[in-house]
Amino acid sequence: RKEVEQDPGPFNVPEGATVAFNCTYSNSASQSFFWYRQDCRKEPKLLMSVYSSGNEDGRFTAQLNRASQYISLLIRDSKLSDSATYLCVVTGYSSASKIIFGSGTRLSIRP
Amino acid sequence: DTAVSQTPKYLVTQMGNDKSIKCEQNLGHDTMYWYKQDSKKFLKIMFSYNNKELIINETVPNRFSPKSPDKAHLNLHINSLELGDSAVYFCASSPRDRATSGGAGTQYFGPGTRLTVL
Repeated sequence: RKEVEQDPGPFNVPEGATVAFNCTYSNSASQSFFWYRQDCRKEPKLLMSVYSSGNEDGRFTAQLNRASQYISLLIRDSKLSDSATYLCVVTGYSSASKIIFGSGTRLSIRP
Repeated sequence: DTAVSQTPKYLVTQMGNDKSIKCEQNLGHDTMYWYKQDSKKFLKIMFSYNNKELIINETVPNRFSPKSPDKAHLNLHINSLELGDSAVYFCASSPRDRATSGGAGTQYFGPGTRLTVL
């Protein structure tokens, strides 16, 4: 089993739709979780951290389920500009912790 | 103001050559990284330096040698380039302390260096 797994997609949804995808992780000792966004031929950029209590940033909501070892990202009222690859990241607390990137979920928003 | 910069942006070279990629960050971060993203878009960490000290060294051929002259710079030298080294190499940096800034998972990436080995 991979340490971090994501559905590669692509998810193809109409503008305005709500879309959600998950990321599962195998190491129950993992401490920190993040979602990154990567546009085509660009560098990954931090989208949001994922806190135990869940967190929301505008149209984006991130959740952590420690019992089932997955994190999720929900995008409401999707925009064309949301089209990108979404990467989940799992790591520990310190700078020496192993940092694992998921292989990404491709999202394509159509007009 | 570029936070994390890399040079060159594109690098095309012949098999067997030696090449270097440079990275600089002006964010004042203590930790810097090198990642490789292959043709399948899988992003994998290669090295991490904290304040010029190597702290993560994943299973990478010893043809790859990182060098950190100071905490704002982390260069990557590759000897005897092979076809399989063709990929996009990303440099990144992160703040040290999770309590203040999210720690290792809060990464700021450079624009990438697209390496093609012929």
